[in-house]
Amino acid sequence: EDQVTQSPEALRLQEGESSSLNCSYTVSGLRGLFWYRQDPGKGPEFLFTLYSAGEEKEKERLKATLTKKESFLHITAPKPEDSATYLCAWAGGATNKLIFGTGTLLAVQP
Amino acid sequence: DAGITQSPRHKVTETGTPVTLRCHQTENHRYMYWYRQDPGHGLRLIHYSYGVKDTDKGEVSDGYSVSRSKTEDFLLTLESATSSQTSVYFCAAGGAKRGAGYEQYFGPGTRLTVT
Repeated sequence: EDQVTQSPEALRLQEGESSSLNCSYTVSGLRGLFWYRQDPGKGPEFLFTLYSAGEEKEKERLKATLTKKESFLHITAPKPEDSATYLCAWAGGATNKLIFGTGTLLAVQP
Repeated sequence: DAGITQSPRHKVTETGTPVTLRCHQTENHRYMYWYRQDPGHGLRLIHYSYGVKDTDKGEVSDGYSVSRSKTEDFLLTLESATSSQTSVYFCAAGGAKRGAGYEQYFGPGTRLTVT
């Protein structure tokens, strides 16, 4: 069964303490790996798409990387405003459907 | 702003009543999707559309139907609401341009409570 697993489920950091979130997938035929940010009471906000192993994308304090079986979202020197749930999703097969992980809840304390 | 709006944003309804949620997009996306989000389950696909009048089921489609009569509008109907359908519903859209990737853009969500 195709699955997307995110770890950890929750992460608490001090402001400035860098860390990484993990997204692993047990699927074949990767057509894209996506990262989203979701704030409480809002819809997911698109961050990055990665298409092939070795690819990296950056946006402010966030950097997403992709290997053959997992993706990492690296957060460098986080600030309290980076607190949110981060979701990853995989696209594969012949349709435009995404399979989502259950997310990592990140809390950055000042 | 992804140009996707949902209405209503909040709704309380009684068991057994029909409910229709509306999604409207302004970016001419070809594909549109309805998800529900519940604690511990993440986002689960209910139905999706790959063009006007072209729809297909997702993983949790029982008790739901959809319609898309115009590119910009995608309706989700709960035929007879049950308490298990209490959830937050998100609409998403993607594939606006030729050669676009698979990324989807989400609306703000509708919180539905079935009493």
